Amino acid sequence: DTGVSQNPRHKITKRGQNVTFRCDPISEHNRLYWYRQTLGQGPEFLTYFQNEAQLEKSRLLSDRFSAERPKGSFSTLEIQRTEQGDSAMYLCASSPGLAGGPGETQYFGPGTRLLVL
Amino acid sequence: AQSVTQPDIHITVSEGASLELRCNYSYGATPYLFWYVQSPGQGLQLLLKYFSGDTLVQGIKGFEAEFKRSQSSFNLRKPSVHWSDAAEYFCAVGPSPYSGAGSYQLTFGKGTKLSVIP
Repeated sequence: DTGVSQNPRHKITKRGQNVTFRCDPISEHNRLYWYRQTLGQGPEFLTYFQNEAQLEKSRLLSDRFSAERPKGSFSTLEIQRTEQGDSAMYLCASSPGLAGGPGETQYFGPGTRLLVL
Repeated sequence: AQSVTQPDIHITVSEGASLELRCNYSYGATPYLFWYVQSPGQGLQLLLKYFSGDTLVQGIKGFEAEFKRSQSSFNLRKPSVHWSDAAEYFCAVGPSPYSGAGSYQLTFGKGTKLSVIP
């Protein structure tokens, strides 16, 4: 079990550019989550997937954000036309997805830190 | 809507001293409560969790937390702090897996930064 991995770990981009982040969950975890953490704040929920289905999206996920999990394994988060306000740490988490069970602990990756200039 | 309040933004303790970090939550049903720790520039590591049963839960690194429904609190404690405990601590609440809420998002507090004096 290698844990949740995220790439890249750091990304610097210019305002208006598109960026894409990748998350590889713990093997055989069915649920995958994206959170955003700004300086001095706790993580804020963005969206989550059950296998390949995106089942919940936060109001924070504007039209410029899109997330996919095409084969129910890794996920990508794309931000189009980045703005300075998008600068944050983007965290990915996964959980087993056991229906009705106590196993819904979310295990977090190291995050991708985005800086928009 | 669910919410979490961590009243202390920053706490400083001496190494070897006891520690208590406060967490109050607001949630309309049976909550699922967590404490995570985050070192600078890193992701979150789970310390402990509560979803039912014994209201005193034990976690990793010698931490424990007590769920008090009447006070809507889930405070984190450690009897003797080590210098390596210096980090930021986040309390989080989510719906119980048994609640049938259909949502699995966690709501986090703003965190408490712990500094340890050698």
